[in-house]
Amino acid sequence: KAGVTQTPRYLIKTRGQQVTLSCSPISGHRSVSWYQQTPGQGLQFLFEYFSETQRNKGNFPGRFSGRQFSNSRSEMNVSTLELGDSALYLCASSYGPDGNEQFFGPGTRLTVL
Amino acid sequence: QKEVEQDPGPLSVPEGAIVSLNCTYSNSAFQYFMWYRQYSRKGPELLMYTYSSGNKEDGRFTAQVDKSSKYISLFIRDSQPSDSATYLCAMSGVGGSNYKLTFGKGTLLTVNP
Repeated sequence: KAGVTQTPRYLIKTRGQQVTLSCSPISGHRSVSWYQQTPGQGLQFLFEYFSETQRNKGNFPGRFSGRQFSNSRSEMNVSTLELGDSALYLCASSYGPDGNEQFFGPGTRLTVL
Repeated sequence: QKEVEQDPGPLSVPEGAIVSLNCTYSNSAFQYFMWYRQYSRKGPELLMYTYSSGNKEDGRFTAQVDKSSKYISLFIRDSQPSDSATYLCAMSGVGGSNYKLTFGKGTLLTVNP
């Protein structure tokens, strides 16, 4: 079974631009979560979707948003990029509604210049 | 106080050693406990997934959860150079708004041949 895939793998943007990252979960998984990983803060939860509904959101500004499609694929968007948004963005999928046993993709490394 | 505390290390051991990695937490609502392994520039890989207190063994890996002490451990027996990675503990609650993982900062482990 194919794992979680994320595109693109690497991205370089400038301040003020916006970016969209994509995640395809493991086949059959309906829960998708997004995390930001930085050396200083570690892994921090952004949001979680199940059956196209956002069920939980982390403590990030409104510039960070996401959505999930009917095929469980998910996208996250960051508008008005700031230097501090440079990070590894990780997507994880889970089979059941509890969303606890999460499997991660390779991540998208975003650099904001 | 952070919800999850993990000694960042680094931890350096000789090949064949028994490695002990630990996390403490403060949130009594946590019921699911996980250990992830993350190689440099890769996404986290789920190693162990446990519910509530007790032990779980999988090959060279043993996970222990002591909810009364809010303390979890991962033991690696007969450690190998290929075990060199960052180990992250993660935990979550049950249902409601707990559809997210809260991570420790990770412990960097090096196994020397």
